[in-house]
Amino acid sequence: GAVVSQHPSRVICKSGTSVKIECRSLDFQATTMFWYRQFPKQSLMLMATSNEGSKATYEQGVEKDKFLINHASLTLSTLTVTSAHPEDSSFYICSARGDRGPLAEAFFGQGTRLTVV
Amino acid sequence: SQQGEEDPQALSIQEGENATMNCSYKTSINNLQWYRQNSGRGLVHLILIRSNEREKHSGRLRVTLDTSKKSSSLLITASRAADTASYFCATRYSSASKIIFGSGTRLSIRP
Repeated sequence: GAVVSQHPSRVICKSGTSVKIECRSLDFQATTMFWYRQFPKQSLMLMATSNEGSKATYEQGVEKDKFLINHASLTLSTLTVTSAHPEDSSFYICSARGDRGPLAEAFFGQGTRLTVV
Repeated sequence: SQQGEEDPQALSIQEGENATMNCSYKTSINNLQWYRQNSGRGLVHLILIRSNEREKHSGRLRVTLDTSKKSSSLLITASRAADTASYFCATRYSSASKIIFGSGTRLSIRP
């Protein structure tokens, strides 16, 4: 299957700082990327959907100014958690999808565990 | 809520027994997928079933889909300790491109 690489896998940052998480599709062009957040013992909640070259669409209740998403190329999307606080500590997972055929299915990165201290 | 519902929330069975998890969703879908997640780790894709399919097998896994009831089930036969994990269904809705996850079932296999 297609490969989606997410980096870093784990990050610890101080409260008030910003953290950038990268999601790359390694062997296909991802026209759409999705960002999810997962709190302990809970399911994955969709935060936003981004299409290459356009603004991300955020789910209800997700602050777009706090979670900045950039999808500048067909192989890279970034999620920046700005002015992070302890309540932003979570597991963040990206998913990437091509636009047709088998690549119309979405493939998931391995996730980033963010801890804000 | 954006999530589908899964039941049971938690399931503990003896090694060798079968485990069945159920998923219900809200609107018309293109496909439904099942994923496994070990504690604190990424997702492992298990199986995808399309809206025009009713049953699919992969090794010890059997998935059914009933679009009239908007539900799916995942059966793991002859369970093993390594099957201990959380299992999620995920649906891709016909009207949107996004994939929405169910609430998940935490499966524990007792040796």
